[in-house]
Amino acid sequence: GAGVSQSPRYKVTKRGQDVTLRCDPISSHATLYWYQQALGQGPEFLTYFNYEAQPDKSGLPSDRFSAERPEGSISTLTIQRTEQRDSAMYRCASSFPGSGETQYFGPGTRLLVL
Amino acid sequence: SQQGEEDPQALSIQEGENATMNCSYKTSINNLQWYRQNSGRGLVHLILIRSNEREKHSGRLRVTLDTSKKSSSLLITASRAADTASYFCATAPNSGNTPLVFGKGTRLSVIA
Repeated sequence: GAGVSQSPRYKVTKRGQDVTLRCDPISSHATLYWYQQALGQGPEFLTYFNYEAQPDKSGLPSDRFSAERPEGSISTLTIQRTEQRDSAMYRCASSFPGSGETQYFGPGTRLLVL
Repeated sequence: SQQGEEDPQALSIQEGENATMNCSYKTSINNLQWYRQNSGRGLVHLILIRSNEREKHSGRLRVTLDTSKKSSSLLITASRAADTASYFCATAPNSGNTPLVFGKGTRLSVIA
């Protein structure tokens, strides 16, 4: 596609509910990243994929968070049993493989847990 | 955790003036990147400078990198109201295929 897209753009949910966020990267990009950005802070790494492999998920805050990219293109981030502290902007980015090349970010999903 | 530390946290200038933002980081890097985030929009990549480079230009942007001091600066010349945004530095470590580590950002306001 022309750019990275994410859906939904906004999600309001009640504490305890599960949510799934979606990222559709640039089609030629093998590497996909998920970041969490709290208000007034910079993005913080959650996990990333090279195609369908997930080499690093060290940034996931707890086992309630999981991510998938089963066919090496679209990815989903699922948060189970959401808590209020999960409220944040969730950003997806994609890039060509290689250390630290330019990452192209999607518009993000703003999650609010009530 | 956030490696980069931008300075200042907030900056307010008049249109036409130059804006300088600084970034310090802690560990060795492969490259350092600057991103802009407009209110309500995504992060946009501005410029990438590699660890063996000292200065780079792109339009009205000038970035410097001092690896001995583990610091970088972003200069925006002849600022415009449209430059109002948050600016983040992000570092890519030396090893492997790893994600970016962002700072907390500098919030720039350009007053017309």
